[in-house]
Amino acid sequence: GAGVSQSPRYKVAKRGQDVALRCDPISGHVSLFWYQQALGQGPEFLTYFQNEAQLDKSGLPSDRFFAERPEGSVSTLKIQRTQQEDSAVYLCASSFSPTAGPYGYTFGSGTRLTVV
Amino acid sequence: DQQVKQNSPSLSVQEGRISILNCDYTNSMFDYFLWYKKYPAEGPTFLISISSIKDKNEDGRFTVFLNKSAKHLSLHIVPSQPGDSAVYFCAAPNAGKSTFGDGTTLTVKP
Repeated sequence: GAGVSQSPRYKVAKRGQDVALRCDPISGHVSLFWYQQALGQGPEFLTYFQNEAQLDKSGLPSDRFFAERPEGSVSTLKIQRTQQEDSAVYLCASSFSPTAGPYGYTFGSGTRLTVV
Repeated sequence: DQQVKQNSPSLSVQEGRISILNCDYTNSMFDYFLWYKKYPAEGPTFLISISSIKDKNEDGRFTVFLNKSAKHLSLHIVPSQPGDSAVYFCAAPNAGKSTFGDGTTLTVKP
């Protein structure tokens, strides 16, 4: 597609509910990144894929967070047993470069998750 | 420890004047620094970058300056336009992930 597509745009979850957030990167982009952005802060790294391999998941806040990219294209970020502190905008980004380097990422518009 | 810091949460300038957005960093190992621009309800958009071996990079109205001894970079927008009103993030990629500052909200008044 022309850009990075994320769905849903908005998600309201009851505390304890599981959620799945989808990211469709730009076709041909080998690298895919997930970031979490809390209100008034910059994006915080969660995890990173190169094709289907998850190369870094050091930013995932707990074992309730899980990400996958089984065929090296679409990725899903799953959050189990959501808690109020999980409320944030979840941003997906992709890049043709393995490390994004000087060219930057192309971000999607994000999924705003609100846990009530 | 926040490795990339933007100390000014907001900046307001008059249309046509210069906007200067600042960013400080602590890690001398960063190879590149990037600026992103973000409009409400959209994801950040890459704007301009600079290599750590350079001290200036210019692209149209946007110029980024890097002062390695002070561990400081700045983004200059000249002349500022109302459409430049957005949140600006500086970021530094490192081993596949990027560290972002908390952003500066720029308002350009007509």
